[in-house]
Amino acid sequence: KAGVTQTPRYLIKTRGQQVTLSCSPISGHRSVSWYQQTPGQGLQFLFEYFSETQRNKGNFPGRFSGRQFSNSRSEMNVSTLELGDSALYLCASEPGPNTGELFFGEGSRLTVL
Amino acid sequence: GIQVEQSPPDLILQEGANSTLRCNFSDSVNNLQWFHQNPWGQLINLFYIPSGTKQNGRLSATTVATERYSLLYISSSQTTDSGVYFCASRGGGADGLTFGKGTHLIIQP
Repeated sequence: KAGVTQTPRYLIKTRGQQVTLSCSPISGHRSVSWYQQTPGQGLQFLFEYFSETQRNKGNFPGRFSGRQFSNSRSEMNVSTLELGDSALYLCASEPGPNTGELFFGEGSRLTVL
Repeated sequence: GIQVEQSPPDLILQEGANSTLRCNFSDSVNNLQWFHQNPWGQLINLFYIPSGTKQNGRLSATTVATERYSLLYISSSQTTDSGVYFCASRGGGADGLTFGKGTHLIIQP
């Protein structure tokens, strides 16, 4: 079956703009989480969604937000982009919250100029 | 939250050698995974191993939960094994995965 699908794969934005990234989980998976990877901070947890509700959020400013739709697809949004937001954003899915193994998508690579 | 430490940070080996990567975690975990990050950034699942031992071809992993560490073994290394290997764990709460800083493995021909 299809894996986790993230779009777009690459994008370039300028400071002050906003960006929306999309993630479709593996069919049947209802929990979606987001991670940011940068050279300086490594891989960091952003937030997790289940049943259209945010279950937990990492230590990121309010400019980072997300939502989940009834079909389990998720989007994350970053407003007022800063240079430091340049990163690889990875989405992961699992059947339900804390149910076990997470599977990751290919990521969305954001460059902020 | 949980803290995860990986060692060594860098490892350079000749093709055919064996390697052991270590992951220490600070608290009880209900999830421990090993990943290989491919050159395009995707995290490829190697093992889901909160406890016990598993093997998949030339790779195997062991987690000793009571002593809070996990080991990833790669035998008869090939150049295609090169890349960054991450260990990640999650405690009993609602937190997401906590990742180690990774081991950058280079296999030379």
